[in-house]
Amino acid sequence: AQTVTQSQPEMSVQEAETVTLSCTYDTSESNYYLFWYKQPPSRQMILVIRQEAYKQQNATENRFSVNFQKAAKSFSLKISDSQLGDTAMYFCAFTTLSGTYKYIFGTGTRLKVLA
Amino acid sequence: ETGVTQTPRHLVMGMTNKKSLKCEQHLGHNAMYWYKQSAKKPLELMFVYNFKEQTENNSVPSRFSPECPNSSHLFLHLHTLQPEDSALYLCASSQEAGDSYGYTFGSGTRLTVV
Repeated sequence: AQTVTQSQPEMSVQEAETVTLSCTYDTSESNYYLFWYKQPPSRQMILVIRQEAYKQQNATENRFSVNFQKAAKSFSLKISDSQLGDTAMYFCAFTTLSGTYKYIFGTGTRLKVLA
Repeated sequence: ETGVTQTPRHLVMGMTNKKSLKCEQHLGHNAMYWYKQSAKKPLELMFVYNFKEQTENNSVPSRFSPECPNSSHLFLHLHTLQPEDSALYLCASSQEAGDSYGYTFGSGTRLTVV
């Protein structure tokens, strides 16, 4: 079965500090895509970053970067220079190209940025 | 402008009521999805529509009935719900079903069944 595990239900970080959210996944597929989504109190899920499994280079989007370890099936999100607006639920997800139309999501990590 | 608009934002309904959730997207996408979000659980995929055709029903009870009249609109008709159906219902869209570029989500409808 394909699964995504986020082992940190809640985290907090001081403003301007760096925080890393962890995610592990399990799949037998070799070609897949990984995502981090942010869900602020407004409830809209926003795509933060996307990683293609066949690319070794870690994806980066401004203050957000990932550490993708394919052999370990690990996909952590690093937020640098944390801002109050980063306070949100963060969901890790992946999808394969197997035609099932499914994105598999984790249970989320609630991140609170402290002033 | 979110691109995917869901109405209503909040809904309280009795177990014998009939109501509908609406989702609209202006992104030119051809696939639309309904997800159920409950606390401390992964998002649960309910239905997938691709080019207006339902391509997936993830063993959803018949008290949830989807409708997709065109590629821009998606409805979820609700009747005789149970209290455990209380959750946040999210609509999403993508260029096509199985798209690997990520989904665009709406802000959800918070449903409470009393």
